[in-house]
Amino acid sequence: DAKTTQPNSMESNEEEPVHLPCNHSTISGTDYIHWYRQLPSQGPEYVIHGLTSNVNNRMASLAIAEDRKSSTLILHRATLRDAAVYYCILRDVSYSNYQLIWGAGTKLIIKP
Amino acid sequence: DSGVTQTPKHLITATGQRVTLRCSPRSGDLSVYWYQQSLDQGLQFLIHYYNGEERAKGNILERFSAQQFPDLHSELNLSSLELGDSALYFCASSATGGNYNEQFFGPGTRLTVL
Repeated sequence: DAKTTQPNSMESNEEEPVHLPCNHSTISGTDYIHWYRQLPSQGPEYVIHGLTSNVNNRMASLAIAEDRKSSTLILHRATLRDAAVYYCILRDVSYSNYQLIWGAGTKLIIKP
Repeated sequence: DSGVTQTPKHLITATGQRVTLRCSPRSGDLSVYWYQQSLDQGLQFLIHYYNGEERAKGNILERFSAQQFPDLHSELNLSSLELGDSALYFCASSATGGNYNEQFFGPGTRLTVL
């Protein structure tokens, strides 16, 4: 399974944009990039996913490098509620298991 | 609220015992996934069921088993429990097993083995 590398933790100020990086240098052409987050004492929740093009939704934006070896999750205006562990996950389209392989994630700390 | 329910919320038991964790997926979702999360760690995939059939197994111990019933709810059975089995157990569901489908997670069951 292709691996992802994320910083252990990041801090940001409330109301400012946050850029969460993820390296996936061994990504294959059939790997989707998924982001989930886990708020304290809750189950994970889906944030966004993409394959090649940048993606936007109501929660965040996903910027994918042209060579696909890295990506960045962008929270445009962080709030205290965005404090969570963010997981970057690769999911192989051709892989029959459909499971998500989780790393340690990035703990995002939001300062008021 | 993800629409996925898990019971019980908390479970405290002793070593050597057997427990059953229950998961009801979102209405209409055919896939159910089970994950284990030990303290301050990422999630470990255990098993995936799709429409009643086992699709994939991850790092699931032989002492653990699961099934998905005709009404699509799923149960995870943990037997001969050990202290190291203490963890959060999450269930997730998705519409299909497709790789582009987001998974919706339940609130988890916290298992404590004493």
